[in-house]
This record gives sequence, structure tokens and C-alpha cells, in this order.
Amino acid sequence: DVKVTQSSRYLVKRTGEKVFLECVQDMDHENMFWYRQDPGLGLRLIYFSYDVKMKEKGDIPEGYSVSREKKERFSLILESASTNQTSMYLCASSQGLAGGEQYFGPGTRLTVT
Amino acid sequence: GQNIDQPTEMTATEGAIVQINCTYQTSGFNGLFWYQQHAGEAPTFLSYNVLDGLEEKGRFSSFLSRSKGYSYLLLKELQMKDSASYLCAVSHYGGATNKLIFGTGTLLAVQP
Repeated sequence: DVKVTQSSRYLVKRTGEKVFLECVQDMDHENMFWYRQDPGLGLRLIYFSYDVKMKEKGDIPEGYSVSREKKERFSLILESASTNQTSMYLCASSQGLAGGEQYFGPGTRLTVT
Repeated sequence: GQNIDQPTEMTATEGAIVQINCTYQTSGFNGLFWYQQHAGEAPTFLSYNVLDGLEEKGRFSSFLSRSKGYSYLLLKELQMKDSASYLCAVSHYGGATNKLIFGTGTLLAVQP
């Protein structure tokens, strides 16, 4: 059974803190994605990676960075958390250049106070 | 630019049929996905259309017209467990790989 896991379901951080969100997939997928999901705005792509150490900006990369040192792991980093980064963060993975179906993790509900 | 429109909310009755529409404008179109998302859970894949026409999978069917930039998801014999948000997503070539652009989702409420 395919699986994407995320390090935390719920996280509360203070403004200015550095935050790490971890995502691991066990399907040997080339592509991994980070989204945030907000009411009325849907899923928006933050960053994606198509290979180890390779990354590209999505639609809303400001305030975020990513790291992919191993194929199965993709980390999202908030360098200095702000209240407008309070959101649901979803990680996904997919196979090959064609992209195709994306498999999602359970999400991390991040609250920045 | 990319733009995807779908209704915000719909209500239907158990046992009935409901059609959720999605219209899109995008460059580099590479297929259209439908995902189901129950409250508090991750989206799960329902269907994929890359060619015009109807794809049927059990109680769920999805239709695509590329010339019209239009798709719909058809749910038959509705069950209470079908109450969820339905996300339309367009796949387009994003440089190194295909990326998905999501609509804001249609929240379907199935009533007894």
C-alpha cells in the first residue's frame, strides 16, 4: 500500500521561529510537492522537487525553502514563521516525468501565534 | 495564466445523481484530475482524463472536453459517505515535470 507520511498532524509555533515540516514517501517516486490549503483558496503549490537535490518554486514560494537530500524525504522550512503562514500543509509525491497521479500525506495543521 | 472554476457548494439526496462541473483555462494542458477530500483528511485520487470523452469507474464517471475547457464529475447512487469536497485539478507541464493546478473545490452535502 502506497504511503506518504508527514512528521506531525498538528504543530503550534511562535512568530519568528524556524519551522521544519518533514515528508517521507515509500513509493520510490521521483517527484515530491509541498502545498498549503486555505479555505476559499484551495491547494496552492509552494515548492516541488523532481529529483534529489533538485527543486523548483511553485506559485507561492515566498517565506519558504525546501530540502531534498534523499529521494524519499522532502522537507519544507519556514525560516521565520509568521501568522499568515498558519495553514494546512500537504505533501504529495508522484512518479516520473509525466507526473501523473499524486499521492498525498495526511497533512500538518500549523498554527503560528 | 491558469484559472479553474468549480461551484463552491452543492447539495444532493441519497440515492440520486449529482454532476459537479469544472471549467479551466490553462497553457500546456496535460490532463485533468478529480480528487475527493473528506473533512480533515488528505485528498484521494478519483479519476484522470487526458482525452475527450467519458471515463467510468463504478459509481463515479468523469468527462472531458478539451476544446471547451470543461470537465464534470458524475456521482451516481449517492451515499452519505460521498459527502466531501471534490477537487478539480489540471495538469500542465511545469518545466521539469507536470504540475497540478487545483480549483478551490466543491463541497458536496448528501442528505437523507
